[in-house]
Amino acid sequence: DTGVSQDPRHKITKRGQNVTFRCDPISEHNRLYWYRQTLGQGPEFLTYFQNEAQLEKSRLLSDRFSAERPKGSFSTLEIQRTEQGDSAMYLCASSLMGYEQYFGPGTRLTVT
Amino acid sequence: AQSVTQLGSHVSVSEGALVLLRCNYSSSVPPYLFWYVQYPNQGLQLLLKYTTGATLVKGINGFEAEFKKSETSFHLTKPSAHMSDAAEYFCAVSAYSGGGADGLTFGKGTHLIIQP
Repeated sequence: DTGVSQDPRHKITKRGQNVTFRCDPISEHNRLYWYRQTLGQGPEFLTYFQNEAQLEKSRLLSDRFSAERPKGSFSTLEIQRTEQGDSAMYLCASSLMGYEQYFGPGTRLTVT
Repeated sequence: AQSVTQLGSHVSVSEGALVLLRCNYSSSVPPYLFWYVQYPNQGLQLLLKYTTGATLVKGINGFEAEFKKSETSFHLTKPSAHMSDAAEYFCAVSAYSGGGADGLTFGKGTHLIIQP
């Protein structure tokens, strides 16, 4: 049973650069979620896919953030023109419709 | 809209003592409630969840929680703390059993410290 995986685990980038993170959900799960977690806070919901359809994206933090799940399997989260305030842990979770969410280990982003 | 308040950002207990982590929620619809644990530099692991039915919910690692609608609470307990329980604990609420279209709304977390 392979869980949710995320790549990379750590990313250091300079302000203004674009970054992309990948999430591979549990294989039979049709729902995929992205969250952001800043230091000392709980995860904050960003966006959600059911299969390849992005059903909720109004909670993405700005138009610099975008996410895709082109074939209903893995997903990518891209941040364009990174800012120091984007430094955080980015978490991915997946679920089988109507059941609990399973989280990946996260990608820690540091913007210098 | 939902919200979660976790009382106490840090809780310290002695090994073998009772663990009590407090969670109060606000929800405009009947809530689904979750407790997750996070170890350093790792993702979140589900401890237990309340959807419907029995209000006392048992989870992994000896944890349990009781849903009290009148108090809008979902406190997490464990009768005897173990050193391995030291971690960050998050309470979360959703309007959907799987955290549907709105995802999960988390509290700020409680850091559990176990004293030897």
